[in-house]
Amino acid sequence: AQSVTQLDSQVPVFEEAPVELRCNYSSSVSVYLFWYVQYPNQGLQLLLKYLSGSTLVESINGFEAEFNKSQTSFHLRKPSVHISDTAEYFCAVSERGYQKVTFGTGTKLQVIP
Amino acid sequence: NAGVTQTPKFRVLKTGQSMTLLCAQDMNHEYMYWYRQDPGMGLRLIHYSVGEGTTAKGEVPDGYNVSRLKKQNFLLGLESAAPSQTSVYFCASRRTDRVGGNEQFFGPGTRLTVL
Repeated sequence: AQSVTQLDSQVPVFEEAPVELRCNYSSSVSVYLFWYVQYPNQGLQLLLKYLSGSTLVESINGFEAEFNKSQTSFHLRKPSVHISDTAEYFCAVSERGYQKVTFGTGTKLQVIP
Repeated sequence: NAGVTQTPKFRVLKTGQSMTLLCAQDMNHEYMYWYRQDPGMGLRLIHYSVGEGTTAKGEVPDGYNVSRLKKQNFLLGLESAAPSQTSVYFCASRRTDRVGGNEQFFGPGTRLTVL
């Protein structure tokens, strides 16, 4: 069975500093991996996804994540955060050919001016 | 395209009352999902559907029922609401194209309070 662990429930970081949000998954088969972002009082939006190919994937707003199969990780990084990045971030995994997606418990990123 | 819409946006119920949450999508997606979001617990799958006329249980199905009579709509029902069902409910949909992965599109959510 697939599972996702986000160990950090909250991450405070100063504006323009780098940030890493950690995600580890567990699965016995090949997976798709996702990061979703949720702004206050909104639904989830896809930030980026890993399906296959290059292990480094990027979003349009400067985030990137690297799929590491040996460490079963998919950490999210940004070299310089902005106030507008304040949100909750969810890592998710789906086994290939499986209809369901399993979400982590979320990490609240708080960007401090 | 409106994407995924949910009605109502907010609702307050008394214990024992019933209600139906409506999810609609205009992207011709086959798969639809209902999740609940509670603080510190992420999103938990209640029920899902892989096509019109089909439904299946998720992680936390007790106390809920669903129906998918039309491809574009997925209804979530609470027959006898309990305070433990106070939560934010999200609907999501996705296509079946496996080349594109399992990206889900989410609605804006319904905030339900059961007194």
